[in-house]
Amino acid sequence: AQTVTQSQPEMSVQEAETVTLSCTYDTSESNYYLFWYKQPPSRQMILVIRQEAYKQQNATENRFSVNFQKAAKSFSLKISDSQLGDTAMYFCAFILTQGGSEKLVFGKGTKLTVNP
Amino acid sequence: GAVVSQHPSRVICKSGTSVKIECRSLDFQATTMFWYRQFPKQSLMLMATSNEGSKATYEQGVEKDKFLINHASLTLSTLTVTSAHPEDSSFYICSARRTGLAYNEQFFGPGTRLTVL
Repeated sequence: AQTVTQSQPEMSVQEAETVTLSCTYDTSESNYYLFWYKQPPSRQMILVIRQEAYKQQNATENRFSVNFQKAAKSFSLKISDSQLGDTAMYFCAFILTQGGSEKLVFGKGTKLTVNP
Repeated sequence: GAVVSQHPSRVICKSGTSVKIECRSLDFQATTMFWYRQFPKQSLMLMATSNEGSKATYEQGVEKDKFLINHASLTLSTLTVTSAHPEDSSFYICSARRTGLAYNEQFFGPGTRLTVL
């Protein structure tokens, strides 16, 4: 089964601190893409960062970085210098290619609260 | 670029009526769009994949006669919830896939909150 597991339903962090959100996945594909999406209270899905599985280098986007461990099928998100605007649901996802079609498979999400 | 809109943002309807939700890619063409459903405090669940000019592909357990999808142009897909009932109340999100990139990124609309009384 192709699944995504986020083991932390809720997390909190103090403003300016660093927090890491966990994600593990299971796929039989050798090449795939992994994503972290943010869904703030507005409920608009926003792409935070993506990682191509064939790239060994961890992706980085400003304060957001990932720790991609392909052998362990782990894809954690680190948020540095947390800001109040980072408060949101965070979903880990990967693209599943099946029968010639592609679809995003999402984890259950982690609710992150940044406290002042 | 890569903006996706949805209309309406909120809709309240009576049980038994039908509701149409539009999803538009505003600045790119999308041969493929996706429809998701999200219950409160839950993740997004893919309902169907909509392909321009052909029939939609529904996920297992999704009733195709209840959730009618029409992808009539490269910038518009519609989801019609037919004979809506209170259990259909949910947040519906569409996404449009933009081709031409190294991978096919999906861009999400802002969602539609459906409440069936």
